[in-house]
Amino acid sequence: KQEVTQIPAALSVPEGENLVLNCSFTDSAIYNLQWFRQDPGKGLTSLLLIQSSQREQTSGRLNASLDKSSGRSTLYIAASQPGDSATYLCAVPGGGADGLTFGKGTHLIIQP
Amino acid sequence: DTAVSQTPKYLVTQMGNDKSIKCEQNLGHDTMYWYKQDSKKFLKIMFSYNNKELIINETVPNRFSPKSPDKAHLNLHINSLELGDSAVYFCASSQTTTGYTFGSGTRLTVV
Repeated sequence: KQEVTQIPAALSVPEGENLVLNCSFTDSAIYNLQWFRQDPGKGLTSLLLIQSSQREQTSGRLNASLDKSSGRSTLYIAASQPGDSATYLCAVPGGGADGLTFGKGTHLIIQP
Repeated sequence: DTAVSQTPKYLVTQMGNDKSIKCEQNLGHDTMYWYKQDSKKFLKIMFSYNNKELIINETVPNRFSPKSPDKAHLNLHINSLELGDSAVYFCASSQTTTGYTFGSGTRLTVV
């Protein structure tokens, strides 16, 4: 059974810092990994999708890496801004009903 | 213009009632899903539906039933609502090459 762990559970940093969010998964037989952002009371916004054949993906100030063999992914946020404050979720295929298995998320606060 | 849309956004109802949540996607994705986000914000898959094949998460009570009139729609019907059904329900669709797209959620409150 796939399990996804995200560390840290919560993070509060001053604006401008570079930061790394970690995600680990137990079953490395995945075909992709997806990072999402969830704002309070809102839905999930897809940030980055990494296919199993890729090592990393970049979108603006975000960079996600994937190491399938070790069961790990990191989300790097450069030059953080208060608008980056949200919960960041990592998810991989392999949940029941053929869906995604999610981590519990990292609750990020960027202090102005 | 919305990729995955679900209605209603909020639903307040009494215990024992039957209710439905609708979902539509205009992305041409082959598979649609329902997820439940509980009070601790943890997301869990409930159903997936692909080309008339329904896969049910074994933990979902049979009071919950998905209904798909066509490839672009997957509605969720809930019978005999219970207090513990209160949660946010998310519809999603996916394609292997593009990943998952989620709707904005339906906040269900059972009183």
